[in-house]
Amino acid sequence: DAGVTQSPTHLIKTRGQQVTLRCSPKSGHDTVSWYQQALGQGPQFIFQYYEEEERQRGNFPDRFSGHQFPNYSSELNVNALLLGDSALYLCASSWGTGGATDTQYFGPGTRLTVL
Amino acid sequence: ILNVEQSPQSLHVQEGDSTNFTCSFPSSNFYALHWYRWETAKSPEALFVMTLNGDEKKKGRISATLNTKEGYSYLYIKGSQPEDSATYLCAFKGANTGFQKLVFGTGTRLLVSP
Repeated sequence: DAGVTQSPTHLIKTRGQQVTLRCSPKSGHDTVSWYQQALGQGPQFIFQYYEEEERQRGNFPDRFSGHQFPNYSSELNVNALLLGDSALYLCASSWGTGGATDTQYFGPGTRLTVL
Repeated sequence: ILNVEQSPQSLHVQEGDSTNFTCSFPSSNFYALHWYRWETAKSPEALFVMTLNGDEKKKGRISATLNTKEGYSYLYIKGSQPEDSATYLCAFKGANTGFQKLVFGTGTRLLVSP
C-alpha cells in the first residue's frame, strides 16, 4: 500500500516565477491538506481539500492556491514567488469529514528554494 | 494567535537513557492533540491521537499523557535507542482552529548516541 507521495522532491525557482507541487494521497483517503515548514518552524497549515473543494484555509495569501482532482490527488500552486516562500511543503492525506481525531498521514515533502 | 510550544528544543541522550518532552497548548476549546515522529529524510509518522483529559497512550517504549485542564502533554521514551533519534512534533486541534487544521509546535529534536 503506497503512502502519500509528492513530486518533485526538490525544486529551485527564481523570484516572480510560479510553481506547482503535486500530491497523491494514501490509498482510500479522500482529503488532502497542505503545510509549509519554514526553517526553524513547525509545519504551518495552508489549506485542506475535500470533494474537490477548499474546506479550510490558513493564513496564507491568495498567491497560494490549490486544486483537488476527482481521483483525490492535489496540486499546490504558488504564484509570484518570494524569497520567503523557500520552505519544505508537506502534503497530508486523511479520510472522512474532518473530525478532530482524524489522523493525517504525511508525505516526504517537496523542498522549494527561491533564488 | 494560538501558540503550541514544545520543550526542550533539542536533547542529546545516551543509549539506554529514558527521556521526556513537553508540549503546551491552549487549555480552552480543546479537541485533540496529535503526536508525530519525524526522522530525517522521511515522512512524519503519526504516533498518538489524544482527546480525553488524563488519557495515556503507549506504543512500544514510547508513551504519552494528556492534561487538557492545564494544557500540556508529555511524551516519554523509555530506554532510548539510536533509532529513536528524530524530531518529535505535537499538533493541536481546537474549536477555534477548526477540525481540519493541525497547529504544530516547533518540535523537540532528539539525538540518541550509542
